[in-house]
Amino acid sequence: DGGITQSPKYLFRKEGQNVTLSCEQNLNHDAMYWYRQDPGQGLRLIYYSQIVNDFQKGDIAEGYSVSREKKESFPLTVTSAQKNPTAFYLCASSTGKNYNSPLHFGNGTRLTVT
Amino acid sequence: DAKTTQPPSMDCAEGRAANLPCNHSTISGNEYVYWYRQIHSQGPQYIIHGLKNNETNEMASLIITEDRKSSTLILPHATLRDTAVYYCIVRVAVLYSGGGADGLTFGKGTHLIIQP
Repeated sequence: DGGITQSPKYLFRKEGQNVTLSCEQNLNHDAMYWYRQDPGQGLRLIYYSQIVNDFQKGDIAEGYSVSREKKESFPLTVTSAQKNPTAFYLCASSTGKNYNSPLHFGNGTRLTVT
Repeated sequence: DAKTTQPPSMDCAEGRAANLPCNHSTISGNEYVYWYRQIHSQGPQYIIHGLKNNETNEMASLIITEDRKSSTLILPHATLRDTAVYYCIVRVAVLYSGGGADGLTFGKGTHLIIQP
C-alpha cells in the first residue's frame, strides 16, 4: 500500500540532545511537509519542501533543521536550540503538481524530551 | 491564508446526518476550502475540498454558500467512528517556481462526538 511512514511512533530524549525524526513516502509525491501539534491545538508548519534539494521555512522553523536529498525522504532534526521540543510531529506529502492537491499525512511521532 | 471560525464542539446521534459549519468571511477568490479530520493520536485525514461548487465524495458532501463566506461539511449517516476533530481550512494557491503550493494552516477545529 502507498503511504507515508513515520518512525518511531514514540521517542524519548534527554534535554540537550539532538534527535532526528524519520519520514518516508512511496507515493511519488514531490512536496513534503513537517508540522508540530501541541495538546488541544491545531497544527503548525515547521518546514516544507517542494522539490529535492530545496526546502522552505514554515511558521515555526527555529530550532529545527531538515534535508531533502531524496524524493521519498524528508527527515526532521529537532536540535537542542528548540526550547519546547515535546510535541506530536506530523509529516505530510502532496503531489505538488498544482495548487489544488491535498496533503496526505503520516500517523505522527510523539516526542518527549525530559 | 484567510482565517476560519468553527464551533469548538458538536454532538450528533449515530445514523443521523452531521452538519459541521465553518465561517470564512475573508476568503479570497483563489482560495479553496479544505476539510480534514483527526482521530486522537493519528495524522489528519483528508476529507474533501472545493472552490465554489458543491462537492461530494464517498466520505462527505461540501456545501459552499454562493458568496463563499461560509461552508458546511455533511456526513450523511454518522457512525461512532466519525468521532474526531474536524478542521476547516482555506488554502491560498501560492505557486512555487517548481510547481505546487505551500502547506495548510490548521486552527483548533470542531470536536464532533457521535452519540450511540
